[in-house]
Amino acid sequence: GQNIDQPTEMTATEGAIVQINCTYQTSGFNGLFWYQQHAGEAPTFLSYNVLDGLEEKGRFSSFLSRSKGYSYLLLKELQMKDSASYLCAVLDSNYQLIWGAGTKLIIKP
Amino acid sequence: DGGITQSPKYLFRKEGQNVTLSCEQNLNHDAMYWYRQDPGQGLRLIYYSQIVNDFQKGDIAEGYSVSREKKESFPLTVTSAQKNPTAFYLCASSPPDRVTDTQYFGPGTRLTVL
Repeated sequence: GQNIDQPTEMTATEGAIVQINCTYQTSGFNGLFWYQQHAGEAPTFLSYNVLDGLEEKGRFSSFLSRSKGYSYLLLKELQMKDSASYLCAVLDSNYQLIWGAGTKLIIKP
Repeated sequence: DGGITQSPKYLFRKEGQNVTLSCEQNLNHDAMYWYRQDPGQGLRLIYYSQIVNDFQKGDIAEGYSVSREKKESFPLTVTSAQKNPTAFYLCASSPPDRVTDTQYFGPGTRLTVL
């Protein structure tokens, strides 16, 4: 079966750095997405990785290791507005998105 | 402004009634999707459509129906056969770019069946 694993919840302090991990087992791989979702709102696109390595985009970076079936989202200089759920999703061999359950990130002052 | 709209944002229905959720996009995207989101679970695909007049069942299509008569519109009907319809429903679309297939989401409709 296909599976995406993320921690259910994480807590971090404003101004700090947090790393949200995602491991996956899917039938094929055509890329991995990270989305941010504030409570009661739609997910918004953060990043897409298809090759191994680190992609940096401002305060957010995303890393991929295809051989390990592993990705992480790194958030730097945390702000209160970063409190949200972070969803990991993998595009499988049929170009279907397989979604993780999301990681709820709580930022404390 | 280009985007995806879903209406209404909140919807209440009595058990046993069919209800249709609307999804419209003016992004000229070919593909459109319907997802259901329940607390503590990932998004689950209900139906998707790659082109007009064609759609495919997702993982949890039972109790739902869709149509795709226009490129811009992909309405979802939640029928009385859906055993547990109360959920947050998200519509998404993606451009004809099979390299990234980035999906863009509407604001969602929260359906509560009483």
